[in-house]
Amino acid sequence: AQSVTQLGSHVSVSEGALVLLRCNYSSSVPPYLFWYVQYPNQGLQLLLKYTSAATLVKGINGFEAEFKKSETSFHLTKPSAHMSDAAEYFCAVSGNTGNQFYFGTGTSLTVIP
Amino acid sequence: SQTIHQWPATLVQPVGSPLSLECTVEGTSNPNLYWYRQAAGRGLQLLFYSVGIGQISSEVPQNLSASRPQDRQFILSSKKLLLSDSGFYLCAWNRAGGPTDTQYFGPGTRLTVL
Repeated sequence: AQSVTQLGSHVSVSEGALVLLRCNYSSSVPPYLFWYVQYPNQGLQLLLKYTSAATLVKGINGFEAEFKKSETSFHLTKPSAHMSDAAEYFCAVSGNTGNQFYFGTGTSLTVIP
Repeated sequence: SQTIHQWPATLVQPVGSPLSLECTVEGTSNPNLYWYRQAAGRGLQLLFYSVGIGQISSEVPQNLSASRPQDRQFILSSKKLLLSDSGFYLCAWNRAGGPTDTQYFGPGTRLTVL
């Protein structure tokens, strides 16, 4: 069975500081992993996804994530936080058939000016 | 390009009243369709998914139901709303196929049950 765990339901960073949002996965098969962002009262938007190609995945808005099999992690990073990055971030893993996604509980990112 | 629509955007309903939320997808055929609920301050809860017309899988027993009367239409319903049904409802779709297919989300419906 697949699942993801997001460590830290709330993360605060200063504007310009490094953003690090943690995600660990559990999967009995090679995982396909996703990061989504949700702004208030909006749907989820795909940031990036890992599909067993390059382990370092670059996404939109300057975000990237690195797949580390040895650590079963897929942490999301951005070198320099911007005020517009304040949002809820979800990590997800897809099931074998693609019919189901398993989402983490989300991490709320606050950017302090 | 593909787009996904949800309506209404917001809804305030009394306890015990019926519910109907609609989701439609444009620009693709035979999509997988999903209904999620997001309670305040919580993550996403998968409610239903559908791989084809009339095919509905329920993930959580509750007083909600879903139907897929057309290929690109997904409806979430209830005969009698409960206070606990309040939340943000999201519809999503992805292409039928392998596990790498991204889920794309609609803008959501904010439901408040009073």
